[in-house]
Amino acid sequence: GDSVTQMEGPVTLSEEAFLTINCTYTATGYPSLFWYVQYPGEGLQLLLKATKADDKGSNKGFEATYRKETTSFHLEKGSVQVSDSAVYFCALNGLQGGSEKLVFGKGTKLTVNP
Amino acid sequence: DAGITQSPRHKVTETGTPVTLRCHQTENHRYMYWYRQDPGHGLRLIHYSYGVKDTDKGEVSDGYSVSRSKTEDFLLTLESATSSQTSVYFCAISDRQATSYEQYFGPGTRLTVT
Repeated sequence: GDSVTQMEGPVTLSEEAFLTINCTYTATGYPSLFWYVQYPGEGLQLLLKATKADDKGSNKGFEATYRKETTSFHLEKGSVQVSDSAVYFCALNGLQGGSEKLVFGKGTKLTVNP
Repeated sequence: DAGITQSPRHKVTETGTPVTLRCHQTENHRYMYWYRQDPGHGLRLIHYSYGVKDTDKGEVSDGYSVSRSKTEDFLLTLESATSSQTSVYFCAISDRQATSYEQYFGPGTRLTVT
């Protein structure tokens, strides 16, 4: 079945450091891909998405590119802030975006120190 | 922000007692979901609904039941709570977008079973 694998955390960075959180997936066809963020004590929020190969999703300085050849959707940010401390989840929508369910990775906790 | 509320936000109950959690949406989305979030397990789907009175099981449905009598409300019931059901419960809603299903999450309910 469909699955998502993301790098295990926790990840600890200093402010203004470069961030990469790796995400790879297994799915039939071309799923839609998402990154969600969960701040402490809150629900998940959609951060960005990409629905076809080579699409780049971006929001709040974060970016991720849908790489079909490597089945990856790595999250990057050039300069992290303390306020980016959160748990990040990679997810896919199978059946080429036609499944009503999402498959989530286990999450990566990011802590940014001043 | 998507109009999703969960009640109660926190609950402590004793083993063996029934518990009902409520999810309410104002977005008129067709799909509603209940997840639980536990350390080391990420998000796991309990049950979901694809319309009024239409529900289906997720990956961890044992010990849980759901009901949806109105589009806007999705109830999760623990018939006889156990300590293993101590968790944070999230409701989510979804509808078909142009090319995928995006889910939007409520703020969560923290349930402790003593």
